[in-house]
Amino acid sequence: DTGVSQNPRHKITKRGQNVTFRCDPISEHNRLYWYRQTLGQGPEFLTYFQNEAQLEKSRLLSDRFSAERPKGSFSTLEIQRTEQGDSAMYLCASSYLNRGRSTEAFFGQGTRLTVV
Amino acid sequence: AQSVAQPEDQVNVAEGNPLTVKCTYSVSGNPYLFWYVQYPNRGLQFLLKYITGDNLVKGSYGFEAEFNKSQTSFHLKKPSALVSDSALYFCAVRDMDSNYQLIWGAGTKLIIKP
Repeated sequence: DTGVSQNPRHKITKRGQNVTFRCDPISEHNRLYWYRQTLGQGPEFLTYFQNEAQLEKSRLLSDRFSAERPKGSFSTLEIQRTEQGDSAMYLCASSYLNRGRSTEAFFGQGTRLTVV
Repeated sequence: AQSVAQPEDQVNVAEGNPLTVKCTYSVSGNPYLFWYVQYPNRGLQFLLKYITGDNLVKGSYGFEAEFNKSQTSFHLKKPSALVSDSALYFCAVRDMDSNYQLIWGAGTKLIIKP
């Protein structure tokens, strides 16, 4: 499977615990995006990387959220001290930017987080 | 401000009938428009896009969309609906200010009845 891969698919955690999600993009894609989606809503942009550089992170929901893409390949999204309001589907997407134009974004299947 | 509107929360269509899922947009400049589909507990799948060129864009699974600049619309269509088309459909436009972010509609639930 050469699509975007996200792990785990589901995560149940107790309030206050830290969680980390992983995203493996399509291998030749240099852009990687994180979104959050709640039931009945469209995706909400969180952050994105171009190669290993995090070019936009002001949309991260709070300072409890952080993301990395250390070698410009896979990325992790960490939520510290989880709250029940963090329960959502977290989506990763990737695209390829060439000469200032980006392909469409391809999405992973998401990680569904439930905070109890 | 740039925005996307999907005026219908839900669309019900009988199998075999044509379907239309509506989308209107508001952007500065020329829009890059997208349709994605989401099946239950799944990620978003790309269906089609409009960047430039022909106003009628053909995509995956027999879907097409018509770009109408005067009406600022990008409605998704299919001539003959299948029960398997039942899913959540999202329209999106690329944020021309940032050139990376997609601005999403709220989604339309499409239900195809046998």
